[in-house]
Amino acid sequence: EAQVTQNPRYLITVTGKKLTVTCSQNMNHEYMSWYRQDPGLGLRQIYYSMNVEVTDKGDVPEGYKVSRKEKRNFPLILESPSPNQTSLYFCASSLSETGHTEAFFGQGTRLTVV
Amino acid sequence: GESVGLHLPTLSVQEGDNSIINCAYSNSASDYFIWYKQESGKGPQFIIDIRSNMDKRQGQRVTVLLNKTVKHLSLQIAATQPGDSAVYFCAENAAGGTSYGKLTFGQGTILTVHP
Repeated sequence: EAQVTQNPRYLITVTGKKLTVTCSQNMNHEYMSWYRQDPGLGLRQIYYSMNVEVTDKGDVPEGYKVSRKEKRNFPLILESPSPNQTSLYFCASSLSETGHTEAFFGQGTRLTVV
Repeated sequence: GESVGLHLPTLSVQEGDNSIINCAYSNSASDYFIWYKQESGKGPQFIIDIRSNMDKRQGQRVTVLLNKTVKHLSLQIAATQPGDSAVYFCAENAAGGTSYGKLTFGQGTILTVHP
C-alpha cells in the first residue's frame, strides 16, 4: 500500500530534550516536506526536500533541522524543543521534485513540549 | 477530533446542494494550485489540482476555477454529501524565484453538510 508513515503519532517531551520524528514513504517520491498545523494558522511548511541531499527552508524553519540521506526517509529533528513547538506535524511526499504534483500526507504527529 | 482552526471561515449546506469554497492566493508567481480535504484526526487528502495555464479543471463532483487576474481560486462540489464535511485547504506552489518548490497553504474553510 502506498503511504507516508510518521512516527511517533503522539509524543510528550520536556523543554530542551532532543527528539526526532521519522517520516518514510514507499512511493519513490522525489519531494518530501514537513508542515506544522496550529489552530487559526493552517498548515505552514517547515522544510522541504526536492531530492536526496537537497533541503530548503519553508516558512517556519527556526528550531528545526532535517536531513535527506536517502530518498525514502525525511526525519524532522528538534535539537532543543520549546513549548512554542507544541503542534500537530505532518510529513508529505509527492512524485515531482518541485512538489507540483499530488502530495500524500502522513497521519500526523501530535507533539507536546512541556 | 482535531481542532484545526478556531476562527476559520465556515460554510454550511444541505445535503444535495452545491458548495463553493473560495481561496485568495498571494504569490503572482505561483503556477500550481491544489485543493486538499482534511477530516478530523487525519492528514490532508488531495482533491484536485490545476496549473496556471488553465482556468478550469473538473474531477468527479468537483471543479476548480482559477482566476489569475484577481489571484482567486475556487472549489465547487456538486451534490454535496455528509461525507464531504471537512476542512478544505487551498495551496499554491511557485515554479521559480525565491519560492521555488515551496508550498503555501491557505488557512482553510470548514464545510458542514447537513442531512
